[in-house]
Amino acid sequence: NAGVTQTPKFQVLKTGQSMTLQCAQDMNHNSMYWYRQDPGMGLRLIYYSASEGTTDKGEVPNGYNVSRLNKREFSLRLESAAPSQTSVYFCASSEVSGYTFGSGTRLTVV
Amino acid sequence: GENVEQHPSTLSVQEGDSAVIKCTYSDSASNYFPWYKQELGKGPQLIIDIRSNVGEKKDQRIAVTLNKTAKHFSLHITETQPEDSAVYFCAVRLPTGNQFYFGTGTSLTVIP
Repeated sequence: NAGVTQTPKFQVLKTGQSMTLQCAQDMNHNSMYWYRQDPGMGLRLIYYSASEGTTDKGEVPNGYNVSRLNKREFSLRLESAAPSQTSVYFCASSEVSGYTFGSGTRLTVV
Repeated sequence: GENVEQHPSTLSVQEGDSAVIKCTYSDSASNYFPWYKQELGKGPQLIIDIRSNVGEKKDQRIAVTLNKTAKHFSLHITETQPEDSAVYFCAVRLPTGNQFYFGTGTSLTVIP
C-alpha cells in the first residue's frame, strides 16, 4: 500500500524554468493538498483540492498553479521558478481524520 | 483562519525522561487536533490525535491533553528513547472545510 507518492524526490532548477511536481494517492481520499516547508516556518498551505474538479488557494499560492487531474492525482506547477521557491514540498491527502503525507520533493532554484 | 503557536522550538531530554510540547490556538470552533512526527528526510506522520469532545487520549508512551477553555493542547512523551528524536508538529482543524493549520514545529533530541 503506497499511500501518497510524490515525484521527483529532488530537483534543481534555474531561475525562470518551469516544472511540475506530481502527486498520487491510492487511498480513495477526496481531499488533497500541497504544502511547502521552510526552516522556522512550519508547513504552509499552497493550494488544496476538497474534491475532484475543485481547487482553492491556500496561504501562499503566488507563483504556483495546480491541477486535480482525477481523484488520485494532484499536481503542482511552477511556471517561472524563483529562488524564493526553494523549499521542501509535501503533498497530502485526507478524508475525515488527519493527513497522510508523501515523502516530499526537495526543490532548489538557483 | 486559525493561528497556532507551538513551544518550545527545540527540546533536549535525557533518555528515559519525559518531554512535553505545547500548542495554543485562536479559534474556539476548532474541533480536531492531530500531532505529527517528522523524521529526517521524511514526510510528517500522524502519531496521535484528539477531538474536541475528549480531554485526554493515550497511546502507550504518548498522550495528548486538550484544554478547550484555555485553547491549548499538549503532547506528552514518557520514557523517551533515542528513536523519539524528530520534529513534532501540532495541527488544528476548523469544523468547516478540511484544512489544517500547523504549528512551527519542535525539534526533539533524546540524549542516550
